[in-house]
Amino acid sequence: GAGVSQSPRYKVAKRGQDVALRCDPISGHVSLFWYQQALGQGPEFLTYFQNEAQLDKSGLPSDRFFAERPEGSVSTLKIQRTQQEDSAVYLCASSRTQTGNYGYTFGSGTRLTVV
Amino acid sequence: AQSVTQLGSHVSVSEGALVLLRCNYSSSVPPYLFWYVQYPNQGLQLLLKYTTGATLVKGINGFEAEFKKSETSFHLTKPSAHMSDAAEYFCAVSEANAGNMLTFGGGTRLMVKP
Repeated sequence: GAGVSQSPRYKVAKRGQDVALRCDPISGHVSLFWYQQALGQGPEFLTYFQNEAQLDKSGLPSDRFFAERPEGSVSTLKIQRTQQEDSAVYLCASSRTQTGNYGYTFGSGTRLTVV
Repeated sequence: AQSVTQLGSHVSVSEGALVLLRCNYSSSVPPYLFWYVQYPNQGLQLLLKYTTGATLVKGINGFEAEFKKSETSFHLTKPSAHMSDAAEYFCAVSEANAGNMLTFGGGTRLMVKP
């Protein structure tokens, strides 16, 4: 597609519920990133894929967070047993190269609200 | 480890006035530097980037930024603010040996007064 597509746009989850957030990167983009943006703050790195390989997951806040990109294109971020502190906008970005020198294209994000 | 500091979480200018948004970074290797803009309920849109070459970088919507290695700065400027420039602006840095991930500053909200 022309841009990075994320779904759903908004998600309200009850505390303790599992959620899955989807990211469709730009076709052919090698690198894919997930970021978490709390209200009024800058995005914070969660995890990074190069094709299907998850090369860095150091930003995942707990073992309740899990991400995958099995075929090197679409990625899913899963959060198990959601907590109120998980409420944030989750942003996905992709890049056509491994070095990032062409920049990164961001999706519109998924706003997760845990009640 | 890389880090980004944006001085001033809120900046207010009058329409037609100079816009200056400050960004300082720390990086152990020559970085790639970016400015992104975020409008309400939207994702991040790339304004401009510095990777190599000319240190004065021109971006979209009349914005430009200058990479000053000696000052570890990458301030964003625009000669004349427009009402449509009101948004949140994020400076970010990436390093090739850090998995190419972007590290963002805390953001600066630009308000433009008529």
